[in-house]
This record gives sequence, structure tokens and C-alpha cells, in this order.
Amino acid sequence: SQTIHQWPATLVQPVGSPLSLECTVEGTSNPNLYWYRQAAGRGLQLLFYSVGIGQISSEVPQNLSASRPQDRQFILSSKKLLLSDSGFYLCAWSGGTTGRNTEAFFGQGTRLTVV
Amino acid sequence: GQNIDQPTEMTATEGAIVQINCTYQTSGFNGLFWYQQHAGEAPTFLSYNVLDGLEEKGRFSSFLSRSKGYSYLLLKELQMKDSASYLCAVKGDYKLSFGAGTTVTVRA
Repeated sequence: SQTIHQWPATLVQPVGSPLSLECTVEGTSNPNLYWYRQAAGRGLQLLFYSVGIGQISSEVPQNLSASRPQDRQFILSSKKLLLSDSGFYLCAWSGGTTGRNTEAFFGQGTRLTVV
Repeated sequence: GQNIDQPTEMTATEGAIVQINCTYQTSGFNGLFWYQQHAGEAPTFLSYNVLDGLEEKGRFSSFLSRSKGYSYLLLKELQMKDSASYLCAVKGDYKLSFGAGTTVTVRA
């Protein structure tokens, strides 16, 4: 069966420090991968998605970046965090582009607080 | 791009029925999803529609009209544990975009 791992679960970082959040998927190949951010009491904002190794599409211009060095690994990074980067970050995967297998499965999320 | 609208909040009584509407505009359509999210947790999948009509799954049903860009999620026999945020999401060619979510509060 497929599983998705995302870590860490919580993170407190000072303003200006770097960030690296990692997400890995097991039990499937060539998944579509997504990074979302959710501010408190708000909906999910799509940050990046990837349909293959090295392929990254950015939805919102900001000081974050994403990379996909391996088929089932998706990394969210920042060189210098801002206070506004605080939020709940969710990684998700889905299989294919059509049909019922396009359902997205979410990792446990990372609650990031920038202080 | 994609634009997805749903009400911010709804309140209902235990045992009642609540209908959450979602309207969307999208370039490319490969399905509409509903997710449930409890506070502080990741969203969990509830339903999927790609063809017009009603999909029923236990106490939850979801309806889609592609020509109207409209969907609703129907929650029947509400229980206290149904208090959560309900997210409407639309799959385009590759992107899965979410609405802001509807917070449902179930009262005794």
C-alpha cells in the first residue's frame, strides 16, 4: 500500500534562517507531488507541484523553492525565512491525471512557526 | 486558472442535514473532490465526482453539474464528530486546487 511521510511535524525557526522540509512517498511510482500551505483558519494554498523528476511548477512567487531529486522525494526549501512563512505545510501525492486515482493523499503536515 | 468558492461557515443541529455548495471556474477539468479536515490535522478524502450526478457514500453524498460549474456535499444524520472544515477541490490538467473551506459546527 502507498504511504507518504513528511517531517518534521513541528518546527520553530528564526527569521532569516534556512528551511528544508522533506516528503517521501512509498508504494507507488511517478506520482504527482504537491506542496500546500495553510494559514490559520484558511484554505490550502498550492505552492508547487511536480509531475516528474526535476519538473517543478510554481504557483505563487515567493521566497520558497521546491525540488524533486528523486521520483518519490519532494523537498521544500527557503534560503531566508520571513515571518509570513509561518503556517501549516502539507505535502500530497496523487496518481495519474484522470479517474478516481487522481485523489490526493496528504502527509501529516509540518507546523512551521517563524519567530 | 482556477477559482473555487464555498461558504465560510455553516451551523446545524445533531441529526439534521447540511448541504455545502461549491462553485468553480477552471481551465481543464479532471474531477471534483471533497475533503474533511479537523483542526490541526491533514485533510482526508470524502468523495470524488467527474461525471454529472450524485455519488452516495453512507451519510455523505456529493453532486456535480459540470455545465454549471457547481457541486454540493450533503451530510445527513449529522453527528458531533462531523464538526470540521470541508474543502472543495478541483483537479485541472495536473493541479489540484482547493477552496477556502467551509467550517461546519454541529450543535447538540
